Amino acid sequence: DVKVTQSSRYLVKRTGEKVFLECVQDMDHENMFWYRQDPGLGLRLIYFSYDVKMKEKGDIPEGYSVSREKKERFSLILESASTNQTSMYLCASSDRGPQETQYFGPGTRLLVL
Amino acid sequence: QQQVKQSPQSLIVQKGGISIINCAYENTAFDYFPWYQQFPGKGPALLIAIRPDVSEKKEGRFTISFNKSAKQFSLHIMDSQPGDSATYFCAASYYGQNFVFGPGTRLSVLP
Repeated sequence: DVKVTQSSRYLVKRTGEKVFLECVQDMDHENMFWYRQDPGLGLRLIYFSYDVKMKEKGDIPEGYSVSREKKERFSLILESASTNQTSMYLCASSDRGPQETQYFGPGTRLLVL
Repeated sequence: QQQVKQSPQSLIVQKGGISIINCAYENTAFDYFPWYQQFPGKGPALLIAIRPDVSEKKEGRFTISFNKSAKQFSLHIMDSQPGDSATYFCAASYYGQNFVFGPGTRLSVLP
């Protein structure tokens, strides 16, 4: 079974803090993704990576950066957290190829005060 | 081109009834159509998925019907149970890299 793990289930941070969200997958997947999920707005793609050290902006990259130094690990960084970044953050991974789908982690609920 | 439309937004079904959620896509390049189930406070979990060359796929009480010419697909949950109460997302993907999700349907199954 595919396993995607996220470093924290819940986080509380102060405005202006630098925040790191870590994601690890154990299926040697090529692609990894970060989403945020807010009520009424569905899943919104922040960044994705299709290879080590590669990254692509998603729909809402502003205020975020990412790092993928190893194939299994994809980090989301909030350089200076703001209250409007309070959200549920979901990491996902997928293999490359036809008829491949994403597998999600359990999510990190971030509260920025 | 990249949108996936999903309806209804919310659905209330009696225990034992059939729940039906519909999705429509535009981009014919999509090659896989998964459905995800999400419980509150949890990440979405893959429920069932279908390829575009198959018209129907069934796994237990869950069935996907796929109409390639109409560019529509739907999830049917037979004998719906209160434990099925969750948010369901349809999605369309291409080559495992390009994913588009529907906005979600909140299903409530009444006991």
